[in-house]
Amino acid sequence: GENVEQHPSTLSVQEGDSAVIKCTYSDSASNYFPWYKQELGKRPQLIIDIRSNVGEKKDQRIAVTLNKTAKHFSLHITETQPEDSAVYFCAASLGNQFYFGTGTSLTVIP
Amino acid sequence: SAVISQKPSRDICQRGTSLTIQCQVDSQVTMMFWYRQQPGQSLTLIATANQGSEATYESGFVIDKFPISRPNLTFSTLTVSNMSPEDSSIYLCSVEAPNEQFFGPGTRLTVL
Repeated sequence: GENVEQHPSTLSVQEGDSAVIKCTYSDSASNYFPWYKQELGKRPQLIIDIRSNVGEKKDQRIAVTLNKTAKHFSLHITETQPEDSAVYFCAASLGNQFYFGTGTSLTVIP
Repeated sequence: SAVISQKPSRDICQRGTSLTIQCQVDSQVTMMFWYRQQPGQSLTLIATANQGSEATYESGFVIDKFPISRPNLTFSTLTVSNMSPEDSSIYLCSVEAPNEQFFGPGTRLTVL
């Protein structure tokens, strides 16, 4: 099956700074890479995704990049705000199954 | 999008007993998934449940321990059998509704 690694496990940034979370995957057949945000005690929610035929995608302050050759993808959050504090999970989809990274706990310091 | 509900939202159980978790979706979906999320950890796929066929289990999970039912396209159950404290976790059901996975609110299980 797919193996997804995610770094860092924890990340603290000052409000207004940028945050970057990186993931690698093992199976070159994976073709869909979503990112989920999970606030404390709540379910994971999709925030952005990218497909293997695209190198970069942006949605306001959030962007995702994908390097298929190197099998890694990254989440970029600019102008961070306290409400961005949460755990973020990357995932790689192989067929209908999603394999999740280990999560990054992001803290935005006001 | 898909709206998913789970019952119970939380439970405290004695070791050796079993608990059945229900997952209801507001639309018909082909595939439903059951995940486990231990405290502070990532989501681990337990099994994929297709209507009308046996569930497909991931490595490390077996049907005797986690029997799953999928009687129709909007409902599934996961049973955690013969529980031990190591089964304490959050259990989430999930559906794929095109090109996105939606998660239920989760069931927080504590085994004493």
